[in-house]
Amino acid sequence: AQSVTQLGSHVSVSEGALVLLRCNYSSSVPPYLFWYVQYPNQGLQLLLKYTSAATLVKGINGFEAEFKKSETSFHLTKPSAHMSDAAEYFCAVSPPMFSGGYNKLIFGAGTRLAVHP
Amino acid sequence: GAGVSQSPSNKVTEKGKDVELRCDPISGHTALYWYRQSLGQGLEFLIYFQGNSAPDKSGLPSDRFSAERTGGSVSTLTIQRTQQEDSAVYLCASRLEGEQYFGPGTRLTVT
Repeated sequence: AQSVTQLGSHVSVSEGALVLLRCNYSSSVPPYLFWYVQYPNQGLQLLLKYTSAATLVKGINGFEAEFKKSETSFHLTKPSAHMSDAAEYFCAVSPPMFSGGYNKLIFGAGTRLAVHP
Repeated sequence: GAGVSQSPSNKVTEKGKDVELRCDPISGHTALYWYRQSLGQGLEFLIYFQGNSAPDKSGLPSDRFSAERTGGSVSTLTIQRTQQEDSAVYLCASRLEGEQYFGPGTRLTVT
C-alpha cells in the first residue's frame, strides 16, 4: 500500500524567502512521485514529477524537488517566493508503470502556502 | 490545445436526486480518471478507465456511484439518490504517458 504525508497544512513565508514544503511517502515498490499546485477555483496543475530518473527534479515556476530514498522524502523547494505562488500544493504517489499499477494517484492532504509582502 | 473539460462547473441538487457529471478528456488520451475533493477527505481516487480494459472501480464509495466511458472518450459519473456527504468537487483527469492532466472540476452541492 502507498501513502503520502505532507507536514504542515499551512505554511507562510515572506516574499523573496525560501519555500520548503515537506512530503514523505510510504511505498513497497519504488514509486513515481508528483507535486501538483491548485489555485483557487481551478483544477490541479503538475509542477514536477519523479519517475526514477534524476533524483533532483526541476519543474515549472522555479520549483524543484529532490527524491531521497533513504529518507522516503520528496520535499518541494523554491529559492525565492513570489506572491503568485500562493496556492495549495499537493504531493502524490503512484506505483511505477512497469509494475502495472499506474492506475491512480494517492494524494497527501495538501499544504496551503501563503506569501506575504 | 484544448485541455480536459468538465460540465457543469457547478451543480446544486436536492438530496435524493440523481446527478450526472461529464468529462471530456484530451483527444488521444486513453486513460481517464475521476477523483473527488472534499473538505473532510481531501483528494480521493474514484475510478480509472484505460482503453477497452475493465475499469478500476476500487475507489467508488458506494453503489450509488457509477461511471461509464463511451467510445473511449467522454465519461459520465453518475451519483444516484444523492446525499449531503456527496457534496464535493469532482475532478476528472486524462493521461498521456506519465502525466495526468486535470480538468477544472464540477462543484456539487447537495442541499
